[in-house]
Amino acid sequence: GQSLEQPSEVTAVEGAIVQINCTYQTSGFYGLSWYQQHDGGAPTFLSYNALDGLEETGRFSSFLSRSDSYGYLLLQELQMKDSASYFCAAGSGSARQLTFGSGTQLTVLP
Amino acid sequence: GAGVSQSPSNKVTEKGKDVELRCDPISGHTALYWYRQSLGQGLEFLIYFQGNSAPDKSGLPSDRFSAERTGGSVSTLTIQRTQQEDSAVYLCASSLRRTQETQYFGPGTRLLVL
Repeated sequence: GQSLEQPSEVTAVEGAIVQINCTYQTSGFYGLSWYQQHDGGAPTFLSYNALDGLEETGRFSSFLSRSDSYGYLLLQELQMKDSASYFCAAGSGSARQLTFGSGTQLTVLP
Repeated sequence: GAGVSQSPSNKVTEKGKDVELRCDPISGHTALYWYRQSLGQGLEFLIYFQGNSAPDKSGLPSDRFSAERTGGSVSTLTIQRTQQEDSAVYLCASSLRRTQETQYFGPGTRLLVL
């Protein structure tokens, strides 16, 4: 089966850097995505890695190591608005459906 | 342009009733996905449509669940004889094509089965 593991909660202060890790076990894996979801809102796409290495998009960066079945999301210069749930999602299969982790609740403190 | 829209936003029903949930994908997006999210959980894949191809139904949890997509655009997810464990947020997503990595999600339908 497909499974992803990520921490359930992370807390950090404004201006800090936080890393959310994700390990996965999927067959037919082709890439790792990250989505942000605020309470009551829809998931929104943040980043995607198909190849090993770091992808940077503004304050957010994502990393993938295929050999380790591991990735992380790095959030820099944290802002209060970054408080949300963050999901890693492994893409697999011909339908490219996403298998989501259970999510990491990030709380940013003033 | 408009994003993915879903209706109704909230639905309360009695156990045993049938419900229909609607999704309007982004215009021009050929791929459409349905997911289910239980409280505090990740998203569970249900079904996938790509153009006029046969849908991938591998994620549907039981034969009480079905979905169709008319004209390659609007999709309806139907749950027959609802059970309390069907209570969840049902999310629809679309992408420009099957190989596009970014999926755009709608706001979801919050279903409560009493």
